[in-house]
Amino acid sequence: ETGVTQSPTHLIKTRGQQVTLRCSSQSGHNTVSWYQQALGQGPQFIFQYYREEENGRGNFPPRFSGLQFPNYSSELNVNALELDDSALYLCASSRQGPYEQYFGPGTRLTVT
Amino acid sequence: GIQVEQSPPDLILQEGANSTLRCNFSDSVNNLQWFHQNPWGQLINLFYIPSGTKQNGRLSATTVATERYSLLYISSSQTTDSGVYFCAAKDSGAGSYQLTFGKGTKLSVIP
Repeated sequence: ETGVTQSPTHLIKTRGQQVTLRCSSQSGHNTVSWYQQALGQGPQFIFQYYREEENGRGNFPPRFSGLQFPNYSSELNVNALELDDSALYLCASSRQGPYEQYFGPGTRLTVT
Repeated sequence: GIQVEQSPPDLILQEGANSTLRCNFSDSVNNLQWFHQNPWGQLINLFYIPSGTKQNGRLSATTVATERYSLLYISSSQTTDSGVYFCAAKDSGAGSYQLTFGKGTKLSVIP
């Protein structure tokens, strides 16, 4: 196991609702990255947090937002959920820089 | 941004056989990782290998950064090796933060 935890494990939401996913990083890591994995695809980068600020973002709309807390844990918030947001959401923790990333078990979100 | 391509997309092996999975990337990298994704979605770290060669049991990996490819070798495959293998790379340019994943190789090992 990596030491990265995520909650909840599974979630079912209705289109238009809002959702918050949580991630606790591995001890000694100060950077959290979030990825979305659609069925049959590789994970796609959403954004990264370091020192409680977003310092990199992929091709995702502003309704995807996040937070990082002083203990380096992080939240991913998605507003106005769409059916295409149904996916596995993965967080990864690392040290800042080109270092190895370690992934949590993921949260599987279903939007109906 | 960097492009990552994996081949083959699907691979079926008899238990005990050897295999080679390939990952090509389009730019210079300072992070290259191989993962095995289990049926529950967990990405398991296999190798962190931006350059050089590493071995871990029946698995080994080689990255030739100057030629922009990496290889994952699986020897004496077992049914528990089944799953999807991902290569992911981070380009070494300034302002690059993320791992870019390939589409994966789905490996099925049959008894």
